[in-house]
Amino acid sequence: DTAVSQTPKYLVTQMGNDKSIKCEQNLGHDTMYWYKQDSKKFLKIMFSYNNKELIINETVPNRFSPKSPDKAHLNLHINSLELGDSAVYFCASSLSGRGDTQYFGPGTRLTVL
Amino acid sequence: GDSVTQMEGPVTLSEEAFLTINCTYTATGYPSLFWYVQYPGEGLQLLLKATKADDKGSNKGFEATYRKETTSFHLEKGSVQVSDSAVYFCALSEKSTGRRALTFGSGTRLQVQP
Repeated sequence: DTAVSQTPKYLVTQMGNDKSIKCEQNLGHDTMYWYKQDSKKFLKIMFSYNNKELIINETVPNRFSPKSPDKAHLNLHINSLELGDSAVYFCASSLSGRGDTQYFGPGTRLTVL
Repeated sequence: GDSVTQMEGPVTLSEEAFLTINCTYTATGYPSLFWYVQYPGEGLQLLLKATKADDKGSNKGFEATYRKETTSFHLEKGSVQVSDSAVYFCALSEKSTGRRALTFGSGTRLQVQP
């Protein structure tokens, strides 16, 4: 059974389009995250939700909008895609009060043409 | 703010060589420290962790000790294998502020040659 899953795994799209990435975890965790990994492999937090409430929102363009319909899901919607949005996006989850170990999904490679 | 500094890669070793990847950190409180590994084309997997000073994390022959006095969490393995070739990330989580996001180092690519 997959613990943290993301769809799609690959996403190729044109500049200006709107796209969504979905994330689901079946670990019973209460906190979920989105990270962005750039072409140099550097990883940076974008958003974090705890029990469906936004707790971290780094300086991310407001074209990026996370949505958490329930504790097991955290989706990422991106409007008006730009070339610089090309990256690998990782979803992760953790259980607060348990050493904060985060479990990562397989990543979504977004390519904007 | 919090930060993690890792040695630059790539690190190229022959099979059965000793591995050290240096990691130092800056944090305002008492962070938990982690090593994650990313194999080619895959997501991040937790390799090991330590939650307080002098704790030693270990897994699959890898070890790292939380050194508060030197603010370090160096990764070591006594004898590397070709299958250990991957990118290794040192990371911290700041517990005291309630900010649960991980702050990552820049990653170190390890290449092990047969």
